[in-house]
Amino acid sequence: SQTIHQWPATLVQPVGSPLSLECTVEGTSNPNLYWYRQAAGRGLQLLFYSVGIGQISSEVPQNLSASRPQDRQFILSSKKLLLSDSGFYLCACGSGINYGYTFGSGTRLTVV
Amino acid sequence: DQQVKQNSPSLSVQEGRISILNCDYTNSMFDYFLWYKKYPAEGPTFLISISSIKDKNEDGRFTVFLNKSAKHLSLHIVPSQPGDSAVYFCAASRGGSNYKLTFGKGTLLTVNP
Repeated sequence: SQTIHQWPATLVQPVGSPLSLECTVEGTSNPNLYWYRQAAGRGLQLLFYSVGIGQISSEVPQNLSASRPQDRQFILSSKKLLLSDSGFYLCACGSGINYGYTFGSGTRLTVV
Repeated sequence: DQQVKQNSPSLSVQEGRISILNCDYTNSMFDYFLWYKKYPAEGPTFLISISSIKDKNEDGRFTVFLNKSAKHLSLHIVPSQPGDSAVYFCAASRGGSNYKLTFGKGTLLTVNP
């Protein structure tokens, strides 16, 4: 079965600082990978998804970027954080066999 | 434009009774629907799903009903237990979308002992 490792669990960053969140996957190969964000009082919003190494699709215009340097590694980045980037960030993996995802445990980001 | 809507932000039920969580969608191209359960500070976990070719799927205490004509689905939990207290997300996907899921805003279920 798939396991997603996501870190750190919590992060407090000042406005204007850079960001790097990493997600790694075990137990599968060539997965679809996704970054979601849950902002306060809102649902899960898809930010990026990737169907393979170096392939990134962005769902919404924003201050963030994503990269997939290896098959089972997905990175979410920002050069300069905004207050509005605060939220709960979730990495997810889909094997493509069915529509269900496996989610990581998430990172709570607070931009101050 | 919110394509998946969960209009009840919260629901409170007594232990042993039925919990009914509702979800509406607007995109007729959705062909697969899922429910996820989420505890605070954790990632969501998959609960149950249903394909658009079915109108009911059951797994233990959990049953999902799909009414395609009304673009409505519901999750029934019988009997409800205190450990079911969590946020429940409805999600939908359409074929050929690289399995992207569109989520609702979630409903906080509280099951009182």
